[in-house]
Amino acid sequence: SALTQAVSESGSPGQSITISCTGTSSDVGGYNLVSWYQQHPGKAPKVIIYDVTKRPSGVSNRFSGSKSGNTASLTISGLQAEDEADYYCCAFAGSGTYVFGTGTKVTVL
Amino acid sequence: QVQLVQSGAEAKKPGASVRVSCKASGYTFTSYGITWVRQAPGQGPEWMGWFNTYTGDTTYSQKFQGRLTMTTDTSTTTAYMDLRNLTSDDTAVYFCARDGVHLWLEYFFDFWGQGTLVTVSS
Repeated sequence: SALTQAVSESGSPGQSITISCTGTSSDVGGYNLVSWYQQHPGKAPKVIIYDVTKRPSGVSNRFSGSKSGNTASLTISGLQAEDEADYYCCAFAGSGTYVFGTGTKVTVL
Repeated sequence: QVQLVQSGAEAKKPGASVRVSCKASGYTFTSYGITWVRQAPGQGPEWMGWFNTYTGDTTYSQKFQGRLTMTTDTSTTTAYMDLRNLTSDDTAVYFCARDGVHLWLEYFFDFWGQGTLVTVSS
């Protein structure tokens, strides 16, 4: 089953928001292999966090990740207009398989 | 620069098959795997399967077992995804993506194709 995310989150410019991603002990909780993707309309997803907390080169340090038990979280600090997008978590689920989250639409007020 | 360029949109009838290609460039093809992900309209991404370009091994989501085949042609650095017995539920944008699992233990997808819309309708 898909990982569970809130349908939407919103915040004003400059604020911080946190997006949660809940799975099970077989995926999110079982491995430190959670990644997060940002997707703008009509575009391919872009990785912004991998291995729970790591940021790829070129990704803003306003994005940070964490995990506790079966729930992973993505925090966007200093919210900017360009952060308005859909965000998806993805977790390794063993045996070479992955599961994505249901997605959270972030709106910058 | 790393690029994954996919084939164009497809319109298929129920029961038909579709092949989507993904031409890779800008890196050593066999050093990274190719993952296929699809996204139905208004839905989140769905992981379909993975192809180890070094060994030729595949891992498919149980959901697609029996009607999904992933292959590559290393001479042209192109990956292919074949999906058979299509239904309207298969209408989605199909993406290929690169991962670094088999050599670098990188369990994420760092470069993506632009996506291929497959529409299944009678």
